[in-house]
Amino acid sequence: EAQVTQNPRYLITVTGKKLTVTCSQNMNHEYMSWYRQDPGLGLRQIYYSMNVEVTDKGDVPEGYKVSRKEKRNFPLILESPSPNQTSLYFCASSGTRRGEQYFGPGTRLTVT
Amino acid sequence: QQPVQSPQAVILREGEDAVINCSSSKALYSVHWYRQKHGEAPVFLMILLKGGEQKGHEKISASFNEKKQQSSLYLTASQLSYSGTYFCGTVSVTGANNLFFGTGTRLTVIP
Repeated sequence: EAQVTQNPRYLITVTGKKLTVTCSQNMNHEYMSWYRQDPGLGLRQIYYSMNVEVTDKGDVPEGYKVSRKEKRNFPLILESPSPNQTSLYFCASSGTRRGEQYFGPGTRLTVT
Repeated sequence: QQPVQSPQAVILREGEDAVINCSSSKALYSVHWYRQKHGEAPVFLMILLKGGEQKGHEKISASFNEKKQQSSLYLTASQLSYSGTYFCGTVSVTGANNLFFGTGTRLTVIP
C-alpha cells in the first residue's frame, strides 16, 4: 500500500530536549515536505526536499532542521524545542515538483 | 503569500450547494484543493493549473481564474461525507516548490 508513515504519532517533551520525528514514504517520490498545522493558521510549510541531499526552507523554518540522506526518509529535527513548537506536524511527499501531496497521519507534539 | 479563503465556516443541509473561494496576491502557477476530516490527514481533491481550467471530482468541481488569481471550489448536492475542512494551496509562478495553504473553510453538512 502506497503510504507516508510518521513516528511517533504523539509526543510530549520538555523544553530543550532534542527530538526527531521520522517520516518515510514507499512511493519512490523525489519531493518531500514538512508542515505544521495550528488552529486558525492552516498548514505552513517548514522545509522541503527535492531529492537526496537537496533541501530548502519553507515558510516557517526557524527552530527546525531536516536531512535527506535516503530518498524514502525525511526526518524533522528539533534540537532545542520550545513551547511555541507545540503543534500538529505533517510530512508529505509528491512525485512531481508541484504535484499532489500525499500526507502522513500526523504527529501531535506538545512541548512543556 | 498565504492565500485567503472564504468563508471561514459554512453549515449546509444535505442536498444544498456551497462555494468556497481562494484568492492570492501572487500570480499563480497552480491551485491545489484538499479536504481534511477531523483527526485525519489532508486528502488531495484536485489540482488546477494556470490556463483557466475547470475540473470535476464526483459532485465537487473547481475553477481557476489566473487573471484574478482566484479559485473556487463548488460542492453540489452536498452529502454528509462532505463535512470537513477544505484547504486551498497555491503555488506562485515565481515560487520554487513552496505550496502555501489557506487557513481553511470548515464545512458541516447536517441531515
